[in-house]
Amino acid sequence: DTVLTQSPALAVSPGERVTISCRASESVSTGMHWYQQKPGQQPKLLIYGASSLQSGVPARFSGSGSGTDFTLTIDPVEADDTATYFCQQSWNDPYTFGAGTKLELK
Amino acid sequence: EVQLVESGGGLVQPGRSLKFSCAASGFTFSNYYMAWVRQAPKKGLEWVATISTSGSRSYYPDSVKGRFTISRDNAKSSLYLQMNSLKSEDTATYSCARHGIYGWYFDFWGPGTMVTVSS
Repeated sequence: DTVLTQSPALAVSPGERVTISCRASESVSTGMHWYQQKPGQQPKLLIYGASSLQSGVPARFSGSGSGTDFTLTIDPVEADDTATYFCQQSWNDPYTFGAGTKLELK
Repeated sequence: EVQLVESGGGLVQPGRSLKFSCAASGFTFSNYYMAWVRQAPKKGLEWVATISTSGSRSYYPDSVKGRFTISRDNAKSSLYLQMNSLKSEDTATYSCARHGIYGWYFDFWGPGTMVTVSS
């Protein structure tokens, strides 16, 4: 299975720029997607196809990468962005998720 | 507004079966692939099953293949998951999710229903 590796946690101050990384154990082309999950809520799609912004998601969120290395960027970070961010690949079967990066605001 | 609402979870003994459902509204259900995704307590997400628009094709990871069956009733805008031979490691919150139009990602999720497999 394709393993997606994410940093466990990040802490940033409001107004800063943050990049959340996701590294795949094998190429997933641009079949990478990003979700935001707040405590007690279901995941919310932010980015699909590595860099396409989902409708309704603020332009502060952006995605980049291809192959094995991907990033989700939030610029600027706001207090409401406190959440866990998951990456998911859809290039290789089975479709797998990263363990998530917990973003905390200072 | 897209809504997905699961029901039917609960406590079940190892080796037993359970079937639960998801009621969809706010979109044309029959136009979308649908899926189940689970999240074990304090753990990450795992894709469990996907079904095509007509229901003629279904897809599973090896971890559940042969034990779980996804189905749908387009007339009722409902999605189902039949789980057999349950194991303790199947304990999780199971969410119904709609596939995105452009690929195998999930653009809307339900809140989920909790399944606990324990004796």
